[in-house]
Amino acid sequence: QQQVKQSPQSLIVQKGGISIINCAYENTAFDYFPWYQQFPGKGPALLIAIRPDVSEKKEGRFTISFNKSAKQFSLHIMDSQPGDSATYFCAAEKETSGSRLTFGEGTQLTVNP
Amino acid sequence: NAGVTQTPKFQVLKTGQSMTLQCAQDMNHEYMSWYRQDPGMGLRLIHYSVGAGITDQGEVPNGYNVSRSTTEDFPLRLLSAAPSQTSVYFCASSLWGGVGELFFGEGSRLTVL
Repeated sequence: QQQVKQSPQSLIVQKGGISIINCAYENTAFDYFPWYQQFPGKGPALLIAIRPDVSEKKEGRFTISFNKSAKQFSLHIMDSQPGDSATYFCAAEKETSGSRLTFGEGTQLTVNP
Repeated sequence: NAGVTQTPKFQVLKTGQSMTLQCAQDMNHEYMSWYRQDPGMGLRLIHYSVGAGITDQGEVPNGYNVSRSTTEDFPLRLLSAAPSQTSVYFCASSLWGGVGELFFGEGSRLTVL
């Protein structure tokens, strides 16, 4: 049972375009929603994270939008660059669970020059 | 600063063989965990530890054993490898067991023939 569903599985965007990756969760006890970025041959690394008490968080070109009532959150990458080409994972966690992240399936993003 | 170090990076086993994936961190993190990454399934938690001498099962623990004798090390043991255990394995650590950044190693790619 996948508690965090992520789409699309793959995404191709032109340089300068907007990349959008969506996630939906089932467990309303989740209270922390990070996004991880993974380059080939490397481990995932934290990109940006949000708590459900805010609807949006922005860090540079990366923005998380959060809809608590719909149990959905998304990652927007503005002005996408070839260097953004990577696999992106959304995740969810309960603060009391002790760093036990539940990950989405992953999205492979390709940004063409 | 080495961070999280995993060895070996690549390993090929025959069905029924045993082996240990090594994980060490030099950040004095209390929390450590093992994930496996399979195409289309994201990262799934195998086992985790909230401190030396304390371990617990994650989402997919069958076929794997762990121990935590020191803060720095968290080895993952496969007692009798099966083809279903072919995967990329990631060790991760965090400062404490609440919400926060997980630091991942670079992964160990295991193939079971």
